[in-house]
Amino acid sequence: DAGVIQSPRHEVTEMGQEVTLRCKPISGHDYLFWYRQTMMRGLELLIYFNNNVPIDDSGMPEDRFSAKMPNASFSTLKIQPSEPRDSAVYFCASSFSPGRRNSPLHFGNGTRLTVT
Amino acid sequence: ELKVEQNPLFLSMQEGKNYTIYCNYSTTSDRLYWYRQDPGKSLESLFVLLSNGAVKQEGRLMASLDTKARLSTLHITAAVHDLSATYFCAVEAAGNKLTFGGGTRVLVKP
Repeated sequence: DAGVIQSPRHEVTEMGQEVTLRCKPISGHDYLFWYRQTMMRGLELLIYFNNNVPIDDSGMPEDRFSAKMPNASFSTLKIQPSEPRDSAVYFCASSFSPGRRNSPLHFGNGTRLTVT
Repeated sequence: ELKVEQNPLFLSMQEGKNYTIYCNYSTTSDRLYWYRQDPGKSLESLFVLLSNGAVKQEGRLMASLDTKARLSTLHITAAVHDLSATYFCAVEAAGNKLTFGGGTRVLVKP
């Protein structure tokens, strides 16, 4: 298994531009999570999906952030317009459902976003 | 709101000595996870603790869970340089959400 795949690995953009981060979860996992990691705030859960349906987006910081999961093998996190304070590492993670939760969340390699 | 606190935030270790990282959390949960993160890398799962009294060991690392005290510990035995990393605990609350602690940065010196 290739694990959780995120793209791009690095993204540098100018303030005001649209940014789209992509994630392919592990096949068979029915939960997908987007986390953001910064030095100041640590790891924050932004949104998570179950069977492609958004369950909790209370961590999404503002309306500038949106996430979709059009099918079981693909999710996007979009920031429009981007701001310098959005600079962070964004991780996607996937897992099985709670009944099989002896398996942990599996994290992708992250996307390092820099907004100038 | 679930709060997860780790201490210490930073731990300078001498090789060969034993150390413990603590993870306290604020609400009832019986699922706790430990992760390791190397600089610039992703998070790697170390342990999944699913019940009160659970203890798991892998190499020089041992994790335990006391759900009544809302406390988990990660014990490092005879530290070696390869264990230098940041260690996170994460607690699963209702709705399958994981809340992470702030992390403990470990530096093992010769």
